[in-house]
Amino acid sequence: RKEVEQDPGPFNVPEGATVAFNCTYSNSASQSFFWYRQDCRKEPKLLMSVYSSGNEDGRFTAQLNRASQYISLLIRDSKLSDSATYLCVVNNPTGGFKTIFGAGTRLFVKA
Amino acid sequence: GAVVSQHPSWVICKSGTSVKIECRSLDFQATTMFWYRQFPKQSLMLMATSNEGSKATYEQGVEKDKFLINHASLTLSTLTVTSAHPEDSSFYICSASDQRGNQPQHFGDGTRLSIL
Repeated sequence: RKEVEQDPGPFNVPEGATVAFNCTYSNSASQSFFWYRQDCRKEPKLLMSVYSSGNEDGRFTAQLNRASQYISLLIRDSKLSDSATYLCVVNNPTGGFKTIFGAGTRLFVKA
Repeated sequence: GAVVSQHPSWVICKSGTSVKIECRSLDFQATTMFWYRQFPKQSLMLMATSNEGSKATYEQGVEKDKFLINHASLTLSTLTVTSAHPEDSSFYICSASDQRGNQPQHFGDGTRLSIL
């Protein structure tokens, strides 16, 4: 089993749609969680950290469920510019901290 | 936010050449830097982790004599691909963290390496 698993997609949605991405992690000792966005042929960019209480940044909402070892990202009112790959990232306390990247979920937002 | 600069952005060179890639943290001290490689349509693969002033820790399957990493200061890490061959062609990305652990990483722009 992979340490961090994501649905690879692709998700094809129309502009204005709401889309949700899920991510599961295997290490119950994982301590910090993030969503990154990666555009084609570009570096990943931090979208938001994920906190136990859940957090929102504009159209983006991230949630963490430690009991189920599950992270989610909700995008409301999708824009064409949201088209990208979304990476679920987990920091594990293994010999210091080790960052584990999910394989990413592709999103295509269509006009 | 934190800024990480990577140079060069593109490299095209002949087989057998050694290529050096620089990664700099511009507005914070990077105690830990990471080097990744990404092949087309694949996920990021961690190559090695380096902490300032100590030897890099390489992931399984990554040849340390092939990919030389130096992290001599808190703002600069370098990756040298020695005697590069066409199969080394890839997108190389560095990232940096300003604490040992539990913080998000900030990525450089990446270096696209093409070996002819």
